[in-house]
Amino acid sequence: AQSVTQPDIHITVSEGASLELRCNYSYGATPYLFWYVQYPGQHLQLLLKYFSGDPLVKGIKGFEAEFIKSKFSFNLRKPSVHWSDAAEYFCAALPGGYQKVTFGTGTKLQVIP
Amino acid sequence: GAVVSQHPSWVICKSGTSVKIECRSLDFQATTMFWYRQFPKQSLMLMATSNEGSKATYEQGVEKDKFLINHASLTLSTLTVTSAHPEDSSFYICSAREIARNTGELFFGEGSRLTVL
Repeated sequence: AQSVTQPDIHITVSEGASLELRCNYSYGATPYLFWYVQYPGQHLQLLLKYFSGDPLVKGIKGFEAEFIKSKFSFNLRKPSVHWSDAAEYFCAALPGGYQKVTFGTGTKLQVIP
Repeated sequence: GAVVSQHPSWVICKSGTSVKIECRSLDFQATTMFWYRQFPKQSLMLMATSNEGSKATYEQGVEKDKFLINHASLTLSTLTVTSAHPEDSSFYICSAREIARNTGELFFGEGSRLTVL
């Protein structure tokens, strides 16, 4: 079945440390891939997206994600986390030719001083 | 960027009453809008796809008579929770895809938190 998996429900990192949030997808063909962020009390916002081409995608707020086809992964990274990055992060996939976006279960990021 | 607005952002109602939630695309046209439900500590669950000028497409397990969706114009979709019960209490989120951009990107509303007493 087509799905998006985020294996980490909750991650805690120290401010200034590097961050990697994992995302795996299960689709026959490579879907469009997205990372969304939901800050406390706010709506979902797009961080970055991958359609094709360069597998390393840069987004807003210093985030980037790498698409690795052989691993069916689209992990989100940031070299140095800031306290304001504390939020819930959702990976999502849109198969080509379809309308419906499938979301992962989300990873809640906590940043400690 | 494209803006999607939901109203109301917070509503409390008595059991048995109906509640309408509006989703508007403020600066773009959307032939398709999506309604999601988000439970605490869980992901967004797609409830239905709202198509302008036609019937909504509901996901399996979602009661169409319970959750009425109307997409009357290219900028407005409404979700009506009929005869609401406490188990319908949840966070409802709409999203829209801009016609002019064929990027697959969804723009989300702020969400509407429904509490049924």
